Amino acid sequence: DIVMTQTPLSSPVTLGQPASISCRSSQSLVHSDGNTYLNWLQQRPGQPPRLLIYKISNRFSGVPDRFSGSGAGTDFTLKISRVEAEDVGVYYCMQATQFPLTFGGGTKVEIK
Amino acid sequence: QVQLVESGGGVVQSGRSLRLSCAASGFTFSSYGMHWVRQAPGKGLEWVAVIWYDGSNKYYADSVKGRFTISRDNSKNTLYLQMNSLRAEDTAVYYCARDQAVILEVAEVDYWGQGTLVSVSS
Repeated sequence: DIVMTQTPLSSPVTLGQPASISCRSSQSLVHSDGNTYLNWLQQRPGQPPRLLIYKISNRFSGVPDRFSGSGAGTDFTLKISRVEAEDVGVYYCMQATQFPLTFGGGTKVEIK
Repeated sequence: QVQLVESGGGVVQSGRSLRLSCAASGFTFSSYGMHWVRQAPGKGLEWVAVIWYDGSNKYYADSVKGRFTISRDNSKNTLYLQMNSLRAEDTAVYYCARDQAVILEVAEVDYWGQGTLVSVSS
């Protein structure tokens, strides 16, 4: 199984300041079709997960442009350009290049 | 709009069975793969199972293989998870999620339901 490792575990951020979350996979997520199936999910308190970013850098429908994804191969990053109060929650990376699907342990974004 | 509504959760004794349902609306259910993903209280996400759009293929996590069965009824726009021989470690919120992948060996999970809580007492 592919192991997904996220850092940091927690990220206290001042409103309006940027935040960055890293995710590393135990093997390359590049599929034979040329795509890299690395997603980022947001889970606000008491809510189900919500897709933010798919295939490394594509924002899902309705996701604000302050969220961006980057990376390649085994190293990926989610950035929030200016954190807003509604961004508080836990963020997960998820690989979908092969089964079983696996998730990072989560990064809690909170306001300082 | 896409809606996924899970039901069937509850408190059950260890060793017993439970069946979860996920009612889908707002899209052509029979054209999409579907997943179950669970989250133990205060923990992260764990993928459970996937079923192809036509029910022809299914994959399971090792932790549930042989005990859980994923199925679907495309005439009723409903996904199921039959859970047998339940254990305390199966206690979690169970989410269903839609998969828009056209390549069957990958997943493109987009929409998630609100979840249903399963509590297994020992």
